Amino acid sequence: QQPVQSPQAVILREGEDAVINCSSSKALYSVHWYRQKHGEAPVFLMILLKGGEQKGHEKISASFNEKKQQSSLYLTASQLSYSGTYFCGTVPPGGYQKVTFGTGTKLQVIP
Amino acid sequence: NAGVTQTPKFQVLKTGQSMTLQCAQDMNHEYMSWYRQDPGMGLRLIHYSVGAGITDQGEVPNGYNVSRSTTEDFPLRLLSAAPSQTSVYFCAVGKGGNQPQHFGDGTRLSIL
Repeated sequence: QQPVQSPQAVILREGEDAVINCSSSKALYSVHWYRQKHGEAPVFLMILLKGGEQKGHEKISASFNEKKQQSSLYLTASQLSYSGTYFCGTVPPGGYQKVTFGTGTKLQVIP
Repeated sequence: NAGVTQTPKFQVLKTGQSMTLQCAQDMNHEYMSWYRQDPGMGLRLIHYSVGAGITDQGEVPNGYNVSRSTTEDFPLRLLSAAPSQTSVYFCAVGKGGNQPQHFGDGTRLSIL
């Protein structure tokens, strides 16, 4: 089952902040985050492997709450280049690491 | 160094035709997977492979076959194309599921 992302879409003005949430009904071992520009392939942003872990990439960071089976992506001081669709991908514990992606959050940053 | 190469980039088929979507990598990674992307549905996993000779089903495997005879190649076969299989198909490659996935540029497939 796909993880659920919220919101589905958001419009920001340059410099504003946003939070994108990813929630799973199943236990998680890791969470991936990717960004996809229109007409292009998804591009890797970061992976969170441990519960409570936080990571950063430029002004984009993320957290992973293993117990709640949730992850959040934080975009601060947004730039026009942040526009695109953001996907979380979840990996369950055990088994062999198949990555299941959410339905995506479309982010548009306007001047 | 091409990374992940998908061919063809575009294809139009008639219902009932068969075809193979190619995915080749020069990254020497074990993990390869196929996703389809439809509006509002995100990326849905079709099949994946953790190494040569090992494949498994994802969320939406029906209508698709895969095999993995080499580390480099992971073809996706549509045996009898249906309009519901109209989609953009992405191949992804990584050292494992808990490692970054590198996506090909995609194949845009239309079935009439």
